[in-house]
Amino acid sequence: DIQMTQSPSSLSASVGDRVTITCRASQGISNYLAWYQQKPGKVPKLLIYAASTLQSGVPSRFSGSGSGTDFTLTISSLQPEDVATYYCQKYNSAPKTFGQGTKVEIK
Amino acid sequence: EVQLVESGGGLVKPGGSLRLSCAASGFTFSSYSMNWVRQAPGKGLEWVSSISSSSSYIYYADSVKGRFTISRDNAKNSLYLQMNSLRAEDTAVYYCARDDQGGDYWGQGTLVTVSS
Repeated sequence: DIQMTQSPSSLSASVGDRVTITCRASQGISNYLAWYQQKPGKVPKLLIYAASTLQSGVPSRFSGSGSGTDFTLTISSLQPEDVATYYCQKYNSAPKTFGQGTKVEIK
Repeated sequence: EVQLVESGGGLVKPGGSLRLSCAASGFTFSSYSMNWVRQAPGKGLEWVSSISSSSSYIYYADSVKGRFTISRDNAKNSLYLQMNSLRAEDTAVYYCARDDQGGDYWGQGTLVTVSS
């Protein structure tokens, strides 16, 4: 099975900082990669699909890139409301594995 | 408006069974594959199972294979997860999610607690 590895597992950054989260697949998955945001006590929310397509209603400070095995989620200017755990997920085929998550906090 | 509402969670003893339901509305349920995803307390997301729109294709995580059964009733716009031989490590919030570009809509989740 393909493993999804996120890094870092947590980060602390200042408001306005550029934040980058990486997700690596153990085998190529083309662009079948989604990113989710889960705020404390809330339901996961789809941010980006097909590696780089922003879901409707998601602020443009979020962006995704990558293909094959290496993917990134970037927040161009971190805002207080972005405090959350972010997950990547491969969805090309089962098992539709999630990364272990990256917790983003404000410094 | 797309809505997914899970039900059926609760406290069950190890070795017991539980059936989760997910009622869908606001979209053509029969046109979409569906997923179950779970989250143990304080842990990350774990994909559990997927079912295609016509139930032709069904997949399970290794951790639940042979114990859980996913099914759907398109006439009732409902998704199900039959969980047997439950273990303490199955304790989690269980979410149903529409399978479009990953998971574009999620329910609020239902808590399953496996404890004696």
